[in-house]
Amino acid sequence: DSGVTQTPKHLITATGQRVTLRCSPRSGDLSVYWYQQSLDQGLQFLIQYYNGEERAKGNILERFSAQQFPDLHSELNLSSLELGDSALYFCASSVAGGLLRQFFGPGTRLTVL
Amino acid sequence: GQQVMQIPQYQHVQEGEDFTTYCNSSTTLSNIQWYKQRPGGHPVFLIQLVKSGEVKKQKRLTFQFGEAKKNSSLHITATQTTDVGTYFCAGVTGNQFYFGTGTSLTVIP
Repeated sequence: DSGVTQTPKHLITATGQRVTLRCSPRSGDLSVYWYQQSLDQGLQFLIQYYNGEERAKGNILERFSAQQFPDLHSELNLSSLELGDSALYFCASSVAGGLLRQFFGPGTRLTVL
Repeated sequence: GQQVMQIPQYQHVQEGEDFTTYCNSSTTLSNIQWYKQRPGGHPVFLIQLVKSGEVKKQKRLTFQFGEAKKNSSLHITATQTTDVGTYFCAGVTGNQFYFGTGTSLTVIP
């Protein structure tokens, strides 16, 4: 158990819909990262927040957005969902904003039908 | 753009054989990290290498960081069935992680 929690574990929805994935980092960790893992692809970095502020941006689509709240939990919002958005979404956390080791949550499996 | 490539994509070995995965970056990295993801699981941090030419060992695992800080390798000696999983390198440069494509290791008992 990494100490990072993600909800929900599984999500099944339809194309065009909007969903919110939630992540609680390890106690004391200020940075949160979001990743997308598709079957035929590796881990795609989406975005990083540090202490409430956006720190780095990766291959995140405009239809996706994220935020980190004062209590440091983070949410990833995915809208106008397409079939290709079906994937495993991981959240990870680390102590500081610097690029240190990350602790990954169990992931949310999103299926878009 | 920045790319981190990993080879091979898949590797099947007999239990007891050695295994190596290689990671190559198109640009110089500030450091590199390695993660293991078991089937159905999430990535778990293994190690971080920072210095040029650095070599670190963890039991049967040996990690190397190239002199130019653009490549790295993970070598497992005498694989066991518990080594099954996908091994990812993650290159760190600028303000981002760049995960490699991963090497999926299957160990045949």
